[in-house]
Amino acid sequence: DVKVTQSSRYLVKRTGEKVFLECVQDMDHENMFWYRQDPGLGLRLIYFSYDVKMKEKGDIPEGYSVSREKKERFSLILESASTNQTSMYLCASSPGDRTNEKLFFGSGTQLSVL
Amino acid sequence: DAKTTQPTSMDCAEGRAANLPCNHSTISGNEYVYWYRQIHSQGPQYIIHGLKNNETNEMASLIITEDRKSSTLILPHATLRDTAVYYCIVLRSNDYKLSFGAGTTVTVRA
Repeated sequence: DVKVTQSSRYLVKRTGEKVFLECVQDMDHENMFWYRQDPGLGLRLIYFSYDVKMKEKGDIPEGYSVSREKKERFSLILESASTNQTSMYLCASSPGDRTNEKLFFGSGTQLSVL
Repeated sequence: DAKTTQPTSMDCAEGRAANLPCNHSTISGNEYVYWYRQIHSQGPQYIIHGLKNNETNEMASLIITEDRKSSTLILPHATLRDTAVYYCIVLRSNDYKLSFGAGTTVTVRA
């Protein structure tokens, strides 16, 4: 089975801190994604990557950056965390075949910024 | 990009079929319809996807209308464990991004 692993299940940070959320997938998938999920707003795409060192903005990239130095790892970076970035963050990967963009999700990281 | 419209919530009796509608009237010819579900506190889980033809797997069936403007996800024998938020999404034609709307909250009652 495909496994998408997020480094932390719960994280508490202070305003202004630099925060790294790590995600690793073990199925050699081309695409990786970062979403955030807030009550009543569904899942919103922050960034995605379709290849190593490649990235594209999603719907809400402001305040975030990403890094994909290796195919299996996709990091989400909050340069200076703010309270409005308190959320559930979900990482996902997919094969990259346009006829089958089946997404595999991690368990999520609940980030609280105080 | 095609958008989807789903009811906010629906109830279903345990053991009965659950039929979840989705409208995607602006879908393009090469866009696929995907269904995911999210059980509380977990990441979303893939259910099924299709282009034109009806599809069936071990979890559900997907019925797509001939004009492709709407689809229905069918859970043939709903169980309490099927209580979840169900998302109908359309793969954008110009990139690889999948976006999720608010979904349908399905509650299966004993």
